[in-house]
Amino acid sequence: DAKTTQPTSMDCAEGRAANLPCNHSTISGNEYVYWYRQIHSQGPQYIIHGLKNNETNEMASLIITEDRKSSTLILPHATLRDTAVYYCIVRSLFGNEKLTFGTGTRLTIIP
Amino acid sequence: DAGVTQSPTHLIKTRGQQVTLRCSPKSGHDTVSWYQQALGQGPQFIFQYYEEEERQRGNFPDRFSGHQFPNYSSELNVNALLLGDSALYLCASSLGSSRYEQYFGPGTRLTVT
Repeated sequence: DAKTTQPTSMDCAEGRAANLPCNHSTISGNEYVYWYRQIHSQGPQYIIHGLKNNETNEMASLIITEDRKSSTLILPHATLRDTAVYYCIVRSLFGNEKLTFGTGTRLTIIP
Repeated sequence: DAGVTQSPTHLIKTRGQQVTLRCSPKSGHDTVSWYQQALGQGPQFIFQYYEEEERQRGNFPDRFSGHQFPNYSSELNVNALLLGDSALYLCASSLGSSRYEQYFGPGTRLTVT
């Protein structure tokens, strides 16, 4: 079973920052938070991951609360191409553990 | 482009038939994982292959089997197809010793009639 809770859907205006929340209250100390997205009819695409510090890359920023029970994925300047289903996944630190997907958040960018 | 390729793109089978799906991992990757994604659902883990052996398996019946070749490519076989096997089948590759991201292919859309 998925260890995360996400809103079913969200809208965001084009050019604005999209903030996608995720709850993972049962996360353990050796588990990372991963974010993937899936654009319609394509395979999931890795976005970012983190353990306890905030992370940023060319695609997005990941903010993890101090107690690690929740996180927020931030797309700083959303474009129409960011319309997709976004999955928040908790994954063990050790080994090449499988990815356990929930149903994700369907993000729609409004022109 | 993640570099993972899958074939075929689409196929249609009849109940009771058998099907083989193929995956070539991203260059340099040695681990292949397979996922099944039903319409409107997130991908579900089927199994993972590393060093030509099944390393992890999800909650799927024995009708689902796989193989990994010395060049790290992989096959997913499904026997005695059921209507419920209709789904998008995704292959993901990664480095065996890495705890980092898995790269997904575009998937194979299987329709069972």
